[in-house]
Amino acid sequence: GQNIDQPTEMTATEGAIVQINCTYQTSGFNGLFWYQQHAGEAPTFLSYNVLDGLEEKGRFSSFLSRSKGYSYLLLKELQMKDSASYLCAVGLGDSSYKLIFGSGTRLLVRP
Amino acid sequence: EAQVTQNPRYLITVTGKKLTVTCSQNMNHEYMSWYRQDPGLGLRQIYYSMNVEVTDKGDVPEGYKVSRKEKRNFPLILESPSPNQTSLYFCASSLGSASRRETQYFGPGTRLLVL
Repeated sequence: GQNIDQPTEMTATEGAIVQINCTYQTSGFNGLFWYQQHAGEAPTFLSYNVLDGLEEKGRFSSFLSRSKGYSYLLLKELQMKDSASYLCAVGLGDSSYKLIFGSGTRLLVRP
Repeated sequence: EAQVTQNPRYLITVTGKKLTVTCSQNMNHEYMSWYRQDPGLGLRQIYYSMNVEVTDKGDVPEGYKVSRKEKRNFPLILESPSPNQTSLYFCASSLGSASRRETQYFGPGTRLLVL
């Protein structure tokens, strides 16, 4: 079976750093994705990792360890607008046409 | 403006009454996909299409049909809706497969209630 685990909720303070973890057990792996979804809106793409290591993109970084089935999304210099759900997804198959999503982590940023 | 559109945005219907949710993209994307999102379950893929006339099942295809007769359109058909299909539905598209790091663009969502 396919399984992706993320914490349900996290709270952090404006200006701080927060790390959102994602562990996965899937039959096949072809990349890990992070999406951001504000309440009532569609998901938007944040990052993609297919090789081990850290990918940095502005205030957001994503890390992958394929041997451990583990990824995290790091958000620095938190802003109020970062309050959203963060979805971890694994691509399956040769071309990653199939995507399996975790249930998402709801992040609340407090002043 | 590059976008994915879905219609209708909101729909209330009754059990057994066939319905179609349309999805259209103006980016000439090859890949399109349908998801449903339910509280506590996250996004689950229903069907996806790699190109015209090429579709395949995702994680939860039961009770749904799709077709891809034109590149820009990917309608989702519920032949006989049931209350357990009450959900928020998203259509998405990308230029190629997700593994090619192509950003997947999501439509605004269709909120469906089946009574």
